[in-house]
Parts: sequence; C-alpha cells; structure tokens
Amino acid sequence: EDKVVQSPLSLVVHEGDTVTLNCSYEVTNFRSLLWYKQEKKAPTFLFMLTSSGIEKKSGRLSSILDKKELFSILNITATQTGDSAIYLCVVEDYGGSQGNLIFGKGTKLSVKP
Amino acid sequence: DVKVTQSSRYLVKRTGEKVFLECVQDMDHENMFWYRQDPGLGLRLIYFSYDVKMKEKGDIPEGYSVSREKKERFSLILESASTNQTSMYLCASIGRIEAFFGQGTRLTVV
Repeated sequence: EDKVVQSPLSLVVHEGDTVTLNCSYEVTNFRSLLWYKQEKKAPTFLFMLTSSGIEKKSGRLSSILDKKELFSILNITATQTGDSAIYLCVVEDYGGSQGNLIFGKGTKLSVKP
Repeated sequence: DVKVTQSSRYLVKRTGEKVFLECVQDMDHENMFWYRQDPGLGLRLIYFSYDVKMKEKGDIPEGYSVSREKKERFSLILESASTNQTSMYLCASIGRIEAFFGQGTRLTVV
C-alpha cells in the first residue's frame, strides 16, 4: 500500500532556530513530491521535487529529494513566528489516467517568540 | 476509522449537467477544503471554508461554487459541468495538528 509518513508530528521551536521536517514515502510509480504550508485559511504551495539531489530554495526554505532512499526534507532557517503552520508532504504517482496523490498527515510547526 | 468521506469515488457526467460532490468529516474541524488534482500540477485549491456558512475562493474558483450548511459537510457544486472540469477532486479537513484527506472523486465530464 502506498504511503507517505511525515515526522515529527509536532514541533515547537523558538524564533531564529533552524528546523528540518522529514517525509518518507513508499509509492509504486513515483511522479513528484510536493510540499505545502497549511495555515488556517489556505494552503500555500512551496516546492515540487522530481529529481534526486537537486536542492530547491525559496528564501529561508529549502528542500531536497532522495529517490534512492525515498525521502525528502524541508529545511527552514532563522524561523519566524509566521512560519507556524502545518507542513504537508504529498506524493504524486502515475496511477490511473490522471495520477493519484498520497498525503502525509503533516508536521505541525509552532515557532515561539 | 475513516475520517473524511467523499460521497462518490467515480462519476461520469454530461456537459452542462449540475454536479454535486459531497464531503463529510467526523472530527469537528472548522476548516475544510476542496482541491482538484491534475497530472503534473499537484493540488490546486478551489474553495475553502473555515466555519459554517463561510466560504472563500481559492486559486481556481471559476465554474464552481460551494455550500457549508453544517460543520461536518462541505459540498462542491459544478453549476454546468464542462469537459475541462474532468479531474480528481479531493476534500480535506484540517485540524490543529493534522490534515485529513478524502479518498478523492474522479470526475469525468463527457
């Protein structure tokens, strides 16, 4: 059965800390891995990863994929209170004519002032 | 222990039909979302709701509407289905520390 597992489930840090969020997956026909930032009102797309070893960066956020070991990490440096959110890892596969998405449960990040 | 249930797994509708996609959650969450997923595009947000009778447009609301009359139920409505609305539709219910997604409804408009 395809699955996506995120860890930790919940994380509390202080402003300025660096955090690493983990996502491991077991998916038969991998297409891509996506990271989203889920806040109260709407999710924000962060990264789409398709190739191993290529780091994607956006400001203080970066992410990398390892297709051999089947995991991805999302790094946030110099965290701010505005980074507090649930971070979702989603894997897209080639199943069926339109593909499927397999969801992790998310990592709840709380950044304290 | 199914937590988010979408009413149909597969649907085939004709162009111009009005289509209702239902989503029910049993976790007393306030926040519910409707997405569509197309190959290579990931999740795209259609509408979301953070309270009963409240709704907000997402990134691609055109051609869709929603209804949230009860906390546990969030419905997506295609007023007049078109072939470009053929897609996988996913409902999500987001709590304080976890996100739960339904199994998806694969809609084909012919």
